[in-house]
Amino acid sequence: EVQLVESGGGLVQPGRSLRLSCAASGFNFDDYAMHWVRQVPGKGLEWVSGISWSSTALGYADSVKGRFTISRDNAKNSLYLQMSSLRSEDMALYFCAKDRGAVAGGWGFDLWGQGTLVTVSS
Amino acid sequence: SSELTQPPSVSVSPGQTASITCSGDELGDLYASWYQLRPGQSPVLIIYQDRKRPSGIPERFSGSSSGNTATLTISGTQATDEADYYCQAWGSSTSYVFGTGTKVTVL
Repeated sequence: EVQLVESGGGLVQPGRSLRLSCAASGFNFDDYAMHWVRQVPGKGLEWVSGISWSSTALGYADSVKGRFTISRDNAKNSLYLQMSSLRSEDMALYFCAKDRGAVAGGWGFDLWGQGTLVTVSS
Repeated sequence: SSELTQPPSVSVSPGQTASITCSGDELGDLYASWYQLRPGQSPVLIIYQDRKRPSGIPERFSGSSSGNTATLTISGTQATDEADYYCQAWGSSTSYVFGTGTKVTVL
């Protein structure tokens, strides 16, 4: 089955770290760029970060630059998001999404996971 | 960074046509994608590269682009089309931006 399954969300205190994972199956993971997108409950979608198929091109939203690190392990068909110095405004549902292309280029995200919820609170 | 502006809401009667615009200064040079987001579900890509439809997306969904505005059109709107819709473009500095979102209500 073609799917993306996120994990790693949970309750974390402000200033602490959390690592999200996304397990891919049913397609050639190493052929495509991958992304993290978040949605604050009741609010809109926000692109967080993206990584090319070969990990040579990385991108981050200004809101997370310097605090979040995206990575992937093509041998494990997995995508990761290391989040540090978490803030209350990072609290959201985090989606993993597959790009239609191998690198960034506005091709669209054609497969999404169900999301993992990150709660930042003391 | 780029900003993409959408109307907050659009209302449409069943069987009629709904149009959602997405405006941004850099859209004229970029491809737009469109996503449907129903409550409690994950986003679904319904249009990419301005006007192309992924397999499985009904023909009543169509996209177009002119100047700095992209438009999603839903023809023969059905009750199941009630959802939030977001445009998206690949902006400067190798980053993506989503539009502000439009809630479509089928009256």
